[in-house]
Amino acid sequence: NAGVTQTPKFRVLKTGQSMTLLCAQDMNHEYMYWYRQDPGMGLRLIHYSVGEGTTAKGEVPDGYNVSRLKKQNFLLGLESAAPSQTSVYFCASTFWRNTEAFFGQGTRLTVV
Amino acid sequence: AQTVTQSQPEMSVQEAETVTLSCTYDTSESDYYLFWYKQPPSRQMILVIRQEAYKQQNATENRFSVNFQKAAKSFSLKISDSQLGDAAMYFCAYMNSDMRFGAGTRLTVKP
Repeated sequence: NAGVTQTPKFRVLKTGQSMTLLCAQDMNHEYMYWYRQDPGMGLRLIHYSVGEGTTAKGEVPDGYNVSRLKKQNFLLGLESAAPSQTSVYFCASTFWRNTEAFFGQGTRLTVV
Repeated sequence: AQTVTQSQPEMSVQEAETVTLSCTYDTSESDYYLFWYKQPPSRQMILVIRQEAYKQQNATENRFSVNFQKAAKSFSLKISDSQLGDAAMYFCAYMNSDMRFGAGTRLTVKP
């Protein structure tokens, strides 16, 4: 039982490049989330999903897109990376609204 | 939109003493859930305690307890008998359809 796995763990991008972060969970969780963590700002919600095939915007969705084609996977895309997107990105999943969230190990992304 | 506010960026406590971390939130919903998570330097997020909004009784987990004041939209965390291993970032979280976090409080435990 791997829990929540994020790929990759580290990445350096040049401004304007694109990339996709993958979040995979093997716990049959319904809800999945993408956050970014910046110093002094906590975890800010980018996008989330309440089930397969659904996505919704969070607090800071601009510059990001997501897809949840399969229940176990939640992809976060950056179409044209900007230095302001330099951050640590966390994926999380929960079975339902009142249950514990399980987090991935984080992805450190640097945009130069 | 729901917002979560942690007004204490940093807190310090002496080992074996008690410390309280503050959290307030803003919502128009009546059904929601509140959590405290701990993030040590490893960056791993660890659930500390959970509170359902419909329950009046405050949640407790060993040395950790909350003071949930629904009308005031306040959800503070009390850590008793603080230990060196409690040193970490603590995040308050609100959950309804999505899950929002506060900015965090960095807790230092002095030996």
